[in-house]
Amino acid sequence: NAGVTQTPKFQVLKTGQSMTLQCAQDMNHEYMSWYRQDPGMGLRLIHYSVGAGITDQGEVPNGYNVSRSTTEDFPLRLLSAAPSQTSVYFCASSYYRVRRNSPLHFGNGTRLTVT
Amino acid sequence: TQLLEQSPQFLSIQEGENLTVYCNSSSVFSSLQWYRQEPGEGPVLLVTVVTGGEVKKLKRLTFQFGDARKDSSLHITAAQPGDTGLYLCAGGLNRGGKLIFGQGTELSVKP
Repeated sequence: NAGVTQTPKFQVLKTGQSMTLQCAQDMNHEYMSWYRQDPGMGLRLIHYSVGAGITDQGEVPNGYNVSRSTTEDFPLRLLSAAPSQTSVYFCASSYYRVRRNSPLHFGNGTRLTVT
Repeated sequence: TQLLEQSPQFLSIQEGENLTVYCNSSSVFSSLQWYRQEPGEGPVLLVTVVTGGEVKKLKRLTFQFGDARKDSSLHITAAQPGDTGLYLCAGGLNRGGKLIFGQGTELSVKP
């Protein structure tokens, strides 16, 4: 099983550039989410979706856009990259029962550097 | 402001020692999950606790959910070098199904 696939693994951007981080899952999970991981900050929720056509903001949504046109895909768009967006980005999915006992399945992350 | 406070942030111990990691909040969670993350990979679920006062054991790891469902702990008995990694607690919120993570505990177990 592929699980959650994130591309690219590494990316370097210049300030002001835009890009899309791709995330795809093959487990038919309703819930998908994006987190960023910074030293000493744990994982912070950027955006999430409970199904196709439905998205909502997490703790740190500014500077990022998402859309969910299919169950499988949940791309994260950086509109105008800033050095503060240098981070490791994780996509995660689960059945839509996160409040009970459905685990999040994570991709292996995208390491983004903005210069 | 961090909704989930995890402590300690760093822990370096010798093989065979015991340790406890704490996860505290002023919020009530519907569930509490613990994950372990290795370098270059995403976190992987260790356990989920959903009932106040619940205790779960996974070999040498013991997980406890506080009675009020605001805090949790992870206790490792006789730590081994293979336990080295980043341990993350995550609380499930009733509103919107979001999962909020603590800052993580970087554990290093030296042989």
